Amino acid sequence: DAGVTQSPTHLIKTRGQHVTLRCSPISGHKSVSWYQQVLGQGPQFIFQYYEKEERGRGNFPDRFSARQFPNYSSELNVNALLLGDSALYLCASNYGPGYNSPLHFGNGTRLTVT
Amino acid sequence: DAKTTQPPSMDCAEGRAANLPCNHSTISGNEYVYWYRQIHSQGPQYIIHGLKNNETNEMASLIITEDRKSSTLILPHATLRDTAVYYCIVRVASDYKLSFGAGTTVTVRA
Repeated sequence: DAGVTQSPTHLIKTRGQHVTLRCSPISGHKSVSWYQQVLGQGPQFIFQYYEKEERGRGNFPDRFSARQFPNYSSELNVNALLLGDSALYLCASNYGPGYNSPLHFGNGTRLTVT
Repeated sequence: DAKTTQPPSMDCAEGRAANLPCNHSTISGNEYVYWYRQIHSQGPQYIIHGLKNNETNEMASLIITEDRKSSTLILPHATLRDTAVYYCIVRVASDYKLSFGAGTTVTVRA
């Protein structure tokens, strides 16, 4: 079975630009979460979506937004990119809240902002 | 979420068991202990989780003390491919997020 897939794997953007990152969850999983991991630190929670609704949000500015589609795939959007947004962006999926289901992560999108 | 404390780094010999400790003295009754690892340039990989009983799967064993204030992840026969950062996380099953700390950098040496 395919795991969590993310695209693209690498991306280079310029300050002020906009970026869209994509994630496909494991088949059967209805919840998708997004995490940001800067170099040398553990992943930090950005969003969780379940059944196309936002269920949780971390301490990130409004430049970060996301959505989940009817097929449970998801997009993370970041506007007005800053140098500090350079990071590995990770997507994770599971069955959803209340299922005692561990999160399974993709290998991420490496975003570099210049 | 309760906080966890892990040693920043540890070495182990290839072929030997690796015992990774984690302290979670403020864990509450409905919080599970989860272990993940992250190999360089990859996403975190789920290893195992448990509530109060010891757990074993094809990757590892999880030993949780009776008072649940600490746990140990055991990799029974470490290989070079087990070199990674290992994260111990406590979380309520219904919670929507994982809170990662700094983890333990484990280096398996030949």
